[in-house]
Amino acid sequence: NAGVTQTPKFQVLKTGQSMTLQCAQDMNHEYMSWYRQDPGMGLRLIHYSVGAGITDQGEVPNGYNVSRSTTEDFPLRLLSAAPSQTSVYFCASSSPSRAKNSPLHFGNGTRLTVT
Amino acid sequence: DAKTTQPNSMESNEEEPVHLPCNHSTISGTDYIHWYRQLPSQGPEYVIHGLTSNVNNRMASLAIAEDRKSSTLILHRATLRDAAVYYCILRPSTGNQFYFGTGTSLTVIP
Repeated sequence: NAGVTQTPKFQVLKTGQSMTLQCAQDMNHEYMSWYRQDPGMGLRLIHYSVGAGITDQGEVPNGYNVSRSTTEDFPLRLLSAAPSQTSVYFCASSSPSRAKNSPLHFGNGTRLTVT
Repeated sequence: DAKTTQPNSMESNEEEPVHLPCNHSTISGTDYIHWYRQLPSQGPEYVIHGLTSNVNNRMASLAIAEDRKSSTLILHRATLRDAAVYYCILRPSTGNQFYFGTGTSLTVIP
């Protein structure tokens, strides 16, 4: 059971470049979300989705776009990378329709450096 | 948004119990209390959750105050593998935003 899979594990970008962080889950979870974690800080919610075709903003959405065309995939797009976006990015999913207290399942993260 | 407050860091000796506190004074009646932990260089993993009653599982126990304004995660015998950052968060029964604070960094001393 793969769970939540994030690719790539590491990425280096130059300022102004764009890229997409991939997240896929095989648990048929309707809820998916993206967090960023900066050194010495907790996780901050970027965007989330409660199902295919539905997305919403979290605490720190600026500079990021998301879409949810399938239940399995929830890519995070950086439109024009900035050094302030250097961080570790985590994708997480859960299934609140099965249980309102359904826990989050996390991927192993993508470490992004913007120079 | 309901928030939680945790100590920044705690230490424990190996094989001794650890009590990790969390304050959530603005909790609403339908918020679930969730605990996650993050080992170095990994994503957070689910530990335990509860609503009103104390809960036990193979990883830990969760003690919830009667007024639900605080809770305590109990690791019965700390091992070196329990060294991690522990997050206490509130999961609303409606809405889907999970907000994490900075957590408690647990150091286990051999």
